Amino acid sequence: GENVEQHPSTLSVQEGDSAVIKCTYSDSASNYFPWYKQELGKGPQLIIDIRSNVGEKKDQRIAVTLNKTAKHFSLHITETQPEDSAVYFCAATDYKLSFGAGTTVTVRA
Amino acid sequence: DTAVSQTPKYLVTQMGNDKSIKCEQNLGHDTMYWYKQDSKKFLKIMFSYNNKELIINETVPNRFSPKSPDKAHLNLHINSLELGDSAVYFCASSHTSGAGTDTQYFGPGTRLTVL
Repeated sequence: GENVEQHPSTLSVQEGDSAVIKCTYSDSASNYFPWYKQELGKGPQLIIDIRSNVGEKKDQRIAVTLNKTAKHFSLHITETQPEDSAVYFCAATDYKLSFGAGTTVTVRA
Repeated sequence: DTAVSQTPKYLVTQMGNDKSIKCEQNLGHDTMYWYKQDSKKFLKIMFSYNNKELIINETVPNRFSPKSPDKAHLNLHINSLELGDSAVYFCASSHTSGAGTDTQYFGPGTRLTVL
């Protein structure tokens, strides 16, 4: 089955700086890579996703890149704000979603 | 309107008891899921149902039994609760099963504590 590794496990950034989270996956058949944000006491919410036929996707301050050859994908958050503080999960799917272990992002004001 | 709802939000019970968690989605989706999030926040799929049919059943103890009375509801019944069952359980739904490639919408979670 799919194995997703996510780094770092914690990330502290100054407000206004960028944050980068990296993930690798094991199954070359995986073709869908969503990113979820989980705020305290809530369920994960999709923030951006990318499919295997695309190398990069951007939505305002959030961007995701995918390198299928190397089997890794990354989340980039620019101009971080305090409300970006949360746990972020990457995931990859062969026939089911397999999640990374999560990154706790803290944005310091 | 809440898209995916779960009840109860908190559940505290004794070892050995049987309990159920209910989930409902009003998105018109065909597929529903149960995930378990452990104390280290690791999320792992347990089950998925497509149009009331079980399509994914991960290596979950048979004390856990999902039931889907219709495609808008997926309940999780747990028998003989154990300490290790303490976790947050999330329900989710997606438009189709789509080999997992459809966006999944998560409920707010049910925090189960077994004493």
